[in-house]
Order: sequence, then structure tokens, then C-alpha cells
Amino acid sequence: ELKVEQNPLFLSMQEGKNYTIYCNYSTTSDRLYWYRQDPGKSLESLFVLLSNGAVKQEGRLMASLDTKARLSTLHITAAVHDLSATYFCAVPIIQGAQKLVFGQGTRLTINP
Amino acid sequence: DAGITQSPRHKVTETGTPVTLRCHQTENHRYMYWYRQDPGHGLRLIHYSYGVKDTDKGEVSDGYSVSRSKTEDFLLTLESATSSQTSVYFCAIRGQGYNSPLHFGNGTRLTVT
Repeated sequence: ELKVEQNPLFLSMQEGKNYTIYCNYSTTSDRLYWYRQDPGKSLESLFVLLSNGAVKQEGRLMASLDTKARLSTLHITAAVHDLSATYFCAVPIIQGAQKLVFGQGTRLTINP
Repeated sequence: DAGITQSPRHKVTETGTPVTLRCHQTENHRYMYWYRQDPGHGLRLIHYSYGVKDTDKGEVSDGYSVSRSKTEDFLLTLESATSSQTSVYFCAIRGQGYNSPLHFGNGTRLTVT
């Protein structure tokens, strides 16, 4: 059974600081997805990581994938308040349709 | 906006009543999904569909059924609602392409009293 675990689950940080969210998964996968969710809103796709060593960057967010370690990271550089949200990673079950298994989510709060 | 509409957006119902949630898409995508979101659990897959009349169970399918009689509509039915089914329900579609991410609707907040 595929398990996806994120840490930390809650993160409060100051503007301007750097931090990393970790996503570990329990079985082999060559793809991983990151999503963002604002309070009371839907989920928005951030990154699609398709292979070992993949790195994607969008503004102050950078995501990477290490399939051998079964680990993905979401790095936040010089955080700003607008990045406050809950971030989810998700891993597909390989066989069949793209059924995603989600991590618990990391609630990120960025304080001025 | 991926052209996904969920209805209703909010619903309060009593224990034991049947409830149907609707997901409508305008983009003719083959794959559609129903997830529920609960604090501490992330999103969990209830059922998904890979075509008209083709559906399969997810990890939390007990107490739920689905139907897809047209490409654009995917219905989720709670056969006899229970308080444990109080949740936010999200419908999603998979974009074109094997590696496409899921695109989510705006969700339905269901409260079972």
C-alpha cells in the first residue's frame, strides 16, 4: 500500500526566510505532483515532477524529486506572505488510471 | 479554470438520507475522480471513472456509489448518509496526457447531522 508522508505538517515562518517541506513515499514511483490550497478554496497544481533528479522552479518555490530515496522537497526562498497556504504532495499508483495518493498537507503560515 | 462545476456547493442533510453530488465537466476528459478532504488526512480517493459506465473504487469507497452515463457528468451518491461522511468533496479531472496533473473543482461542503 502506497503511503505518502509530509513534514512538517505545520510551519510558521517569517518573511524573508528560507525553508523546506519534505514529502516521503513508500513505494516506487517515477512521478510526483505538488499542489497548493488556499483556505476554503480548491487545489491548484504547482509542479509535475517526472523523473529522478527533476527540478522545477516557479518564483520563490522550487521542487525536486529523488526517486531512489523516494523523497521530494519543496523549497521556499525568501518567503512572502502570499505564499501562506497548505501544500500537498501526491504520488500516483503506477498501475491503472492516475489515482493520486496525497500526503496530509503542510499548512504554511508566513508572518510579516 | 478547467471547466469543472460541482453542485451543490453546500449541503446539510440528516443521517440516513441519500445524497447525490454532481460533477460536470465541459472539456470531454476521459478520467474523472471523487476525493474527500478531512483534516489530517489530506485527500482520499473515493471512486474514479475512466470512461462512460467505467468506474472503479478508491481507498474509501464504502458507503458511496458513483455513476457516469455521459462523459461530462460524474455523480457521487451517499446511499444512506452518516455523520462520518461529513466532509468536503472534490471532483477532479485528469488533463490530456499521461502525466497531466489533476484539475479540481471548487468542492462541495457536506454536513450530515
